[in-house]
Amino acid sequence: ETGVTQTPRHLVMGMTNKKSLKCEQHLGHNAMYWYKQSAKKPLELMFVYSLEERVENNSVPSRFSPECPNSSHLFLHLHTLQPEDSALYLCASSQEYGTGELFFGEGSRLTVL
Amino acid sequence: GEDVEQSLFLSVREGDSSVINCTYTDSSSTYLYWYKQEPGAGLQLLTYIFSNMDMKQDQRLTVLLNKKDKHLSLRIADTQTGDSAIYFCAELWNAGNMLTFGGGTRLMVKP
Repeated sequence: ETGVTQTPRHLVMGMTNKKSLKCEQHLGHNAMYWYKQSAKKPLELMFVYSLEERVENNSVPSRFSPECPNSSHLFLHLHTLQPEDSALYLCASSQEYGTGELFFGEGSRLTVL
Repeated sequence: GEDVEQSLFLSVREGDSSVINCTYTDSSSTYLYWYKQEPGAGLQLLTYIFSNMDMKQDQRLTVLLNKKDKHLSLRIADTQTGDSAIYFCAELWNAGNMLTFGGGTRLMVKP
């Protein structure tokens, strides 16, 4: 138990579906992250929020839309995905933005048909 | 970010020492990290070293840093089957204030 909970753990969706991934942290951290992990590429940072404001957006396609309603919750809204978006999506948090000590959730395994 | 490179795979026998290697390119890195990912789980921070240190030991784990060669290694003493996992090194590069991960080394421990 890392204090970072992701739901759902597994998700299968069609290319025309809309779904959301949820992340919740119980650590009182101020920064939250979305990473994509696939077989072909190392961990790719997608988005970073610090104190509920987005501070990083690493050229992620607009079919991925993050939302951070408060410092404990982070969402990744998915729309019109492609099969190559199938991957493990990892949420992480850290005490402050700019530290390398991240606490990861167990990930949401996404399959796009 | 800068490139962080690791070999893909390492196989050792239970009880032996494991050495996982990593090279990085950003000379302005402040901290370097080792993370462990067990099957079906997220990453877990194992240890880290500040860039002005050469070595750090934490129980069975020893981290060695060669700044001249930009080489980082993780030694696991008395490797156990529970150590089987993917190990990621990462650097915190000063300019971008962000963490860059290597591709991960899959460690297999044979009984």
